[in-house]
Amino acid sequence: GAVVSQHPSWVICKSGTSVKIECRSLDFQATTMFWYRQFPKQSLMLMATSNEGSKATYEQGVEKDKFLINHASLTLSTLTVTSAHPEDSSFYICSAMVLVRDYEQYFGPGTRLTVT
Amino acid sequence: SQQGEEDPQALSIQEGENATMNCSYKTSINNLQWYRQNSGRGLVHLILIRSNEREKHSGRLRVTLDTSKKSSSLLITASRAADTASYFCATDAVEADSWGKLQFGAGTQVVVTP
Repeated sequence: GAVVSQHPSWVICKSGTSVKIECRSLDFQATTMFWYRQFPKQSLMLMATSNEGSKATYEQGVEKDKFLINHASLTLSTLTVTSAHPEDSSFYICSAMVLVRDYEQYFGPGTRLTVT
Repeated sequence: SQQGEEDPQALSIQEGENATMNCSYKTSINNLQWYRQNSGRGLVHLILIRSNEREKHSGRLRVTLDTSKKSSSLLITASRAADTASYFCATDAVEADSWGKLQFGAGTQVVVTP
C-alpha cells in the first residue's frame, strides 16, 4: 500500500516551453501533497505544499507563477514548470501524506527534467 | 533552508560491517524520519521516530533520537552491497504552519563494497 507514482519519469524539453508533471496516489487518498526539487548530489528542497481544493502554498524563494501547482482531486496533483530554462533542470519529487500511525509521507519515484 | 546537517558526508565500508550516520537539527520536532535514495531514484521511507521516543529498531536498522542535543543517529548493522545508497534524515517541525513539511538533511552517501 501507499504507492505514489509520477509521470513522466523523465522529460527533455526546449527552453521556453512548459512541462507538466503528474503525481498520483494509487491506493489511498491524500489531502496534502508536497513538491520537492533535488539538484545533483544535493538534498531535497521543499518547493510547495499542495492541498486538494485550495491554492498551493509556496516556500520562500519559489516563484509561484513559474511553478504552477494544481491539486484537482484527492489522488492527483500536478506541477507545471512554465517557460522552462536550463537552470530549472532538476529532479522533481512529489510526496503524499497519509495517516498510518503517524502522518507519514510516501514519495514518488521522481521526474528528471532536462531543459536544453 | 536545510534543517538538518548530516555527517559523515560519505562513508565507505565493507560488507558485514556496521554503518553509522548522524543527523543534527535546529528546531523542536514532532518526529524525525530516515529515508534511503538509490542513485537517481525516489525516496524509500525507512523509519520514523517520534519526539518522545529515544530508540527504535527495524530489522537491521537502529535509530536513536536525543532531543536535548537535537540529534539522531542511524545504524545499519551487517551491511550488504544492496545498502549502497544515500541516506537522508528529515524532520517534521512543531511550528504551526509547518505541519507535514519535511526539512531534509544534506545526506550521507554510503558505499558498501563486497
